[in-house]
This record gives sequence, structure tokens and C-alpha cells, in this order.
Amino acid sequence: DIQMTQSPSTLSASVGDRVTITCRASQDIRTWLAWYQQRPGKAPKLLIYKASILETGVPPRFSGSGSGTDFTLTISSLQPDDFATYYCQQFSSYSEYSFGQGTKLESK
Amino acid sequence: QVTLRESGPALVKPTQTLTLTCTFSGFSLSSDEVCVSWIRQPAGKALEWLARIDSDDTRYYSTSLRTRLTISKDTSKDQVLLTMTSMDPVDTATYYCARPKGCYDGYVYLFDHWGQGIRVTVSS
Repeated sequence: DIQMTQSPSTLSASVGDRVTITCRASQDIRTWLAWYQQRPGKAPKLLIYKASILETGVPPRFSGSGSGTDFTLTISSLQPDDFATYYCQQFSSYSEYSFGQGTKLESK
Repeated sequence: QVTLRESGPALVKPTQTLTLTCTFSGFSLSSDEVCVSWIRQPAGKALEWLARIDSDDTRYYSTSLRTRLTISKDTSKDQVLLTMTSMDPVDTATYYCARPKGCYDGYVYLFDHWGQGIRVTVSS
């Protein structure tokens, strides 16, 4: 099984900050990596897939990069709506997927 | 516009069978290469994929839960049903239905449309 490890688990930041969340896969997943945002009591929302492709309607302040085993999600200028939990997910094959444990982005 | 909405009981007793309904709109499960999945999330924990049904009625199940799950569809009502037998308190979670970006390769696990979720508690 492919393990996904996110860091940090919790991140404190302020509106306007540039923030970066990292995700590491236990083996090469090329660019089969997605990022989701989940607000309390809400379903996850797909932000980025194939490591760097922005989902339709997602603000361009969100960006993703990486390939192989190391990936990052960057928010260029944090907005009040962005305080949420973020999950990475690998979807490298028809028979396997896995999520990271999540990064909670909270207001400093 | 694609929408999905889960319905079912909020509380079930241990050993009972849970039946959840996903009612969707904006697409048809009678169309080629369309599929719907069920996913759950215990409070504060990671998402867990449970089952998927394709437009051709092919069904897939989580390896760890396959003996307890049945997924089915009612195309005339635009609904997907999930039954889970032998419910246990560890099954307490929010259950989501979701449609993935595609029904091929790894895209079957890339979910871009979700229901709002239904919180199910298993307790006597």
C-alpha cells in the first residue's frame, strides 16, 4: 500500500500569508496526486489534480507542484475562506488510492 | 449542474442493517462511463472509499468491507443505494456519495462532485 504523509499536521497563518503544505508518498506516484479542501461539516472539495491542474472554479491563488514522491500545495495569499483542513490523495491506479492524514490550516 | 444528496437514518443499533440512498441529478447512470461511489469519514479521520457502481451495473467493493456491503442503482429514480450489514459503533461516520471525474484508471477515485453527507451513529 502507498502511504501518504502530510506536513505539518497543523499550520497557523494570517490572512495575506503565503502558505505551503507538503505531501510525501511512500513510493513513486508520478503526478497522480490530488488536493482537497474540507471545511467543518462540509464535504471535501477538489482543488487540484494531477499534481498541478487547477480544478474549474478554484481561485488561482491555489497551486500545486511536484512529481514522484514529493508534492506541495501553495496558497499565495491566504483568504478568510481558506481556513480549513487540506488533504492530499494519491490515485495512481485503478485498484489503489490513499489519503494523507490532513493538515489543519488555522488562523494565527 | 451535478448534484447528489444522501438520505437515510441518522441512528442505527448495533447488528442492524444500514440502508442509505443517494439521489442525484445532472447526469444519468444509464449513460456510458458514468459511475457513483460511496465514501465515509469517521469524525476527525481520513476518508474511506466503500463501493462503486458503474452505468453497466458493474459493482466494486472495498476489500475490507465487501462481505457487508451491497451497492445497487435505480436508474428510473436516479438513485444509488448502499446497504451495510452488521453495523457496529466503529461504523459511526459521515457517509458521502460522490461522482468521480472519470470511470477509468485512477480517476475513479478522483471525486469532483460530492453530496453534503449524512451523519450515521451506531449506538444502542
